[in-house]
Amino acid sequence: EIVLRQSPGTLSLSPGERATLSCRASQRVSSRYLAWYQQKPGQAPKLLVYGASSRATGIPDRFSGGGSGTDFTLTISRLEPEDFAVYYCQQYGTSPETFGPGTKVEIK
Amino acid sequence: QVHLQESGPGLVKPSQTLSLTCTVSGGSISGGSYFWSWIRQHPEKGLEWIGYIFYGGGIYYNPSLKSRATISADTSKYQFSLKLSSVTAADTAVYYCAVGSTETTGVWFGPWGQGTQVTVSS
Repeated sequence: EIVLRQSPGTLSLSPGERATLSCRASQRVSSRYLAWYQQKPGQAPKLLVYGASSRATGIPDRFSGGGSGTDFTLTISRLEPEDFAVYYCQQYGTSPETFGPGTKVEIK
Repeated sequence: QVHLQESGPGLVKPSQTLSLTCTVSGGSISGGSYFWSWIRQHPEKGLEWIGYIFYGGGIYYNPSLKSRATISADTSKYQFSLKLSSVTAADTAVYYCAVGSTETTGVWFGPWGQGTQVTVSS
């Protein structure tokens, strides 16, 4: 199965700053079949991006996804207070679908 | 917007079968091209895809569950279910149901239910 690694484990930033999260796969992710999720404490994960760069319905355009092959990124252009959360990547190009361990974005 | 809600026992004894149900509102399990999915989240192991059912298309499981998982659907009740047999403490997790979508192959997940904590303990 494809193993996903996310870095950094924790990102300490201030509101208004730019956040860049990395997701690296152990094998090529076919057709850019990678998704990103946001999870806040006590809540279920929420879909942000699929197809590496397509925003889900209702997701603000400050969230953008990119990358291909084995290296993908999620960028939050200007952090809003509600963006401090844990972010997971997930690949669905090769069965079984697998998730990364997450990156926590915390207030500095 | 489809809404999902998990239900089932919060405590299961070791070696017994875990049974959960997901009730769907705002959509039909038998319509569309969605994959009705189960995912769990361990405190240490993170998120793990369990399996999904595609109405009229089949049922798919994560090989890691070693055939312990069974997913079924009752379209008349707008519900789909998960049974996980021979549970151990390693199956203690928050269990989520979710709607899976696809382009050609593979599935991404959203929206999700709120999740239900299941603890395996005697």
